[in-house]
Amino acid sequence: AQSVAQPEDQVNVAEGNPLTVKCTYSVSGNPYLFWYVQYPNRGLQFLLKYITGDNLVKGSYGFEAEFNKSQTSFHLKKPSALVSDSALYFCAVRDGRNTDKLIFGTGTRLQVFP
Amino acid sequence: DVKVTQSSRYLVKRTGEKVFLECVQDMDHENMFWYRQDPGLGLRLIYFSYDVKMKEKGDIPEGYSVSREKKERFSLILESASTNQTSMYLCASSPPIWGLGEQFFGPGTRLTVL
Repeated sequence: AQSVAQPEDQVNVAEGNPLTVKCTYSVSGNPYLFWYVQYPNRGLQFLLKYITGDNLVKGSYGFEAEFNKSQTSFHLKKPSALVSDSALYFCAVRDGRNTDKLIFGTGTRLQVFP
Repeated sequence: DVKVTQSSRYLVKRTGEKVFLECVQDMDHENMFWYRQDPGLGLRLIYFSYDVKMKEKGDIPEGYSVSREKKERFSLILESASTNQTSMYLCASSPPIWGLGEQFFGPGTRLTVL
């Protein structure tokens, strides 16, 4: 069965420092991986996705993610964190082949301190 | 601008009541989804619809039913609300392209069952 894991419930980082939010996956076949962000009292917004190709994927708001097949990871990164990046971040993977369904991780709360 | 709207942001109901949550999308998407979001559990799929009148159970369908009579509208029904259905409910839509595209989310409905 397909799954994703977000090992950290919360990540704290100072403004201006680089940030990493971790995600590992378990799939049969090629993984389709996604990151979404949820700001307070809002629905989820798409950040970026990896389908195939370059292992470094660039997305919205200056975020990027690195796909690592050997470590089965898809960590979200940003070189310089902003206080406004504070939100809940979800990693997701396509639920099998020939489907549009996603399986979401449990979420990681990012807190950026001034 | 693409949009997924949900009928209520906040809803309070009593145990045993029949509850309807409505979702409308204006993107002409074939796929629509209902998720439940709980702290520490992430998003869990309740039901998925891939076309009008077509539906598929997700991971936690017990106690819920759905209706999709028109392409743009997907309703979630709690036949007899219970306190353990107190949660945030998120609706999403996506095009049918085998998971290549992202899902678009509504703002969510926070349901409290007393």
